[in-house]
Amino acid sequence: GQNIDQPTEMTATEGAIVQINCTYQTSGFNGLFWYQQHAGEAPTFLSYNVLDGLEEKGRFSSFLSRSKGYSYLLLKELQMKDSASYLCAVRDLSLNKFYFGSGTKLNVKP
Amino acid sequence: GAVVSQHPSRVICKSGTSVKIECRSLDFQATTMFWYRQFPKQSLMLMATSNEGSKATYEQGVEKDKFLINHASLTLSTLTVTSAHPEDSSFYICSAAVGYYGYTFGSGTRLTVV
Repeated sequence: GQNIDQPTEMTATEGAIVQINCTYQTSGFNGLFWYQQHAGEAPTFLSYNVLDGLEEKGRFSSFLSRSKGYSYLLLKELQMKDSASYLCAVRDLSLNKFYFGSGTKLNVKP
Repeated sequence: GAVVSQHPSRVICKSGTSVKIECRSLDFQATTMFWYRQFPKQSLMLMATSNEGSKATYEQGVEKDKFLINHASLTLSTLTVTSAHPEDSSFYICSAAVGYYGYTFGSGTRLTVV
């Protein structure tokens, strides 16, 4: 089965940096994804890691360690519009399925 | 980029009736689509995997006779909630695999059963 864990909620200040962690256990790992979701809307793709290391895309970076079953999403220069839920998702290629963590609600304060 | 169109965006139905939700891939062919349900303040829960031309595979605990999935073409998958009850009220969303590692989501359907 799949077991994906994220913190439920985090609060950070505008302009700061925040790191959202995700740990996972899966039988057939083939990629870890991060999505942003505003309330009542569909998730939007942020990043994808399949190999160990850091992937940087502007203000967002994502890190993966496959041996540790661990990933994090790093958000820099936080803006108020970054207040949203951030979902960690794992693709299990052996099952051809895509599973989401419970999501981390990020509150950005002035 | 790849777009999945999902309709309707909102629907209110009476208890006991059925509701059909459609997801169309607009500029690509989707051999596999995923259907999710999301309750308020919770994450997306995979309900079933829809495969073009074959039966959908359902996650444990999801009633296949209640949530009918049809993927008759490479561009259309439908989810029908049969004999809907208030507890079926939720946000339903589809997703399609695009290429090897890309996934794109529909805009979601807010179902309210009264």
